[in-house]
Amino acid sequence: GENVEQHPSTLSVQEGDSAVIKCTYSDSASNYFPWYKQELGKRPQLIIDIRSNVGEKKDQRIAVTLNKTAKHFSLHITETQPEDSAVYFCAASTDNAGNMLTFGGGTRLMVKP
Amino acid sequence: DGGITQSPKYLFRKEGQNVTLSCEQNLNHDAMYWYRQDPGQGLRLIYYSQIVNDFQKGDIAEGYSVSREKKESFPLTVTSAQKNPTAFYLCASSIRGRNTEAFFGQGTRLTVV
Repeated sequence: GENVEQHPSTLSVQEGDSAVIKCTYSDSASNYFPWYKQELGKRPQLIIDIRSNVGEKKDQRIAVTLNKTAKHFSLHITETQPEDSAVYFCAASTDNAGNMLTFGGGTRLMVKP
Repeated sequence: DGGITQSPKYLFRKEGQNVTLSCEQNLNHDAMYWYRQDPGQGLRLIYYSQIVNDFQKGDIAEGYSVSREKKESFPLTVTSAQKNPTAFYLCASSIRGRNTEAFFGQGTRLTVV
């Protein structure tokens, strides 16, 4: 089955700096890669996703890049703000698995004001 | 609030007792999922259901059971056979068959006392 690894497990940045979180996956058939943000005590919420037919996607201060050959994808947050502090999860799934997501272990991002 | 509701928010169980966690959605989603979240770890899939009256085991199904008698409801029973049941449980739902956003409930924190 699919295995998703996520690094780093914790990340501390100064407000205004950029943050990068990286994930690797094992199943070359995976074609959907969402990122979820979970604030303390709250539910995970989708912040951005990318499909395997594109290499990069941006939404304001966040972007995701995908390298299918290397089987890795990354989340980039620019101009970080204290409200970006949360746990971020990457995930992967294949069409054959419907929407059965395999999640990475999570990254706790702390943005220091 | 989000269209998917879990109850209760906190649950305490004595060792040896079965307990059922509720998950209800009004998003008209066919697919529903149960994940377990432990501190510092990612979300691990317990069970999933793509359609009423059908469900499949996920990666960590041992000690758990589910039913899917109605489209809107996907209750999870944590049985006494689950060796380490204390955890945060998240229910999610999505459109069946396509890789799209999974919507999460707010979770139930189960503690065995």
